[in-house]
Amino acid sequence: AQSVSQHNHHVILSEAASLELGCNYSYGGTVNLFWYVQYPGQHLQLLLKYFSGDPLVKGIKGFEAEFIKSKFSFNLRKPSVQWSDTAEYFCAVNRAGGSYIPTFGRGTSLIVHP
Amino acid sequence: DVKVTQSSRYLVKRTGEKVFLECVQDMDHENMFWYRQDPGLGLRLIYFSYDVKMKEKGDIPEGYSVSREKKERFSLILESASTNQTSMYLCASSLRTGLSYEQYFGPGTRLTVT
Repeated sequence: AQSVSQHNHHVILSEAASLELGCNYSYGGTVNLFWYVQYPGQHLQLLLKYFSGDPLVKGIKGFEAEFIKSKFSFNLRKPSVQWSDTAEYFCAVNRAGGSYIPTFGRGTSLIVHP
Repeated sequence: DVKVTQSSRYLVKRTGEKVFLECVQDMDHENMFWYRQDPGLGLRLIYFSYDVKMKEKGDIPEGYSVSREKKERFSLILESASTNQTSMYLCASSLRTGLSYEQYFGPGTRLTVT
């Protein structure tokens, strides 16, 4: 069974700091990769996704993620965080062309201090 | 925009009560999901449905059942609520075809069982 690891469970940053959240998965075949975000009191929503093509994916609110197949990784980055980025971030993976049930990581809680 | 709605944002029930959580989506998605979200554990899949009257168990189905009588509606049932079912419950939907099967989430129901 595939698994997804998010290395950082809690991250605390000051505004303008750079962000990188790690995500690694275990499945060896072709995958679809997602980052979802849950702002306080709001529903989970898609931040960005990768399913083919350019491995550097840009999402909403200045976030980007890079798919490195050789490392089974899909790390999320933002060069300069804002207080409004305070949220919980989830990485998810599913097998391309196969199951439509994704496997989620345990999430990373990000707190950005103004 | 895809909209996934859940019948209640907050619910308080007593141990042993039968609990119904309702989810409705308006985008004609084939797939619907029920997750529970607990701190540090991420999202855990309870049940999944890929069509009307079809269901599959997820990772933690014990103590839960589901019903999907109409394509747009997916209900989660706690036959006899217990305190360890106190949690945030998230409903999601996705297409069954397409490239990446991204999920759309409802706002969640925070259930407290006393």
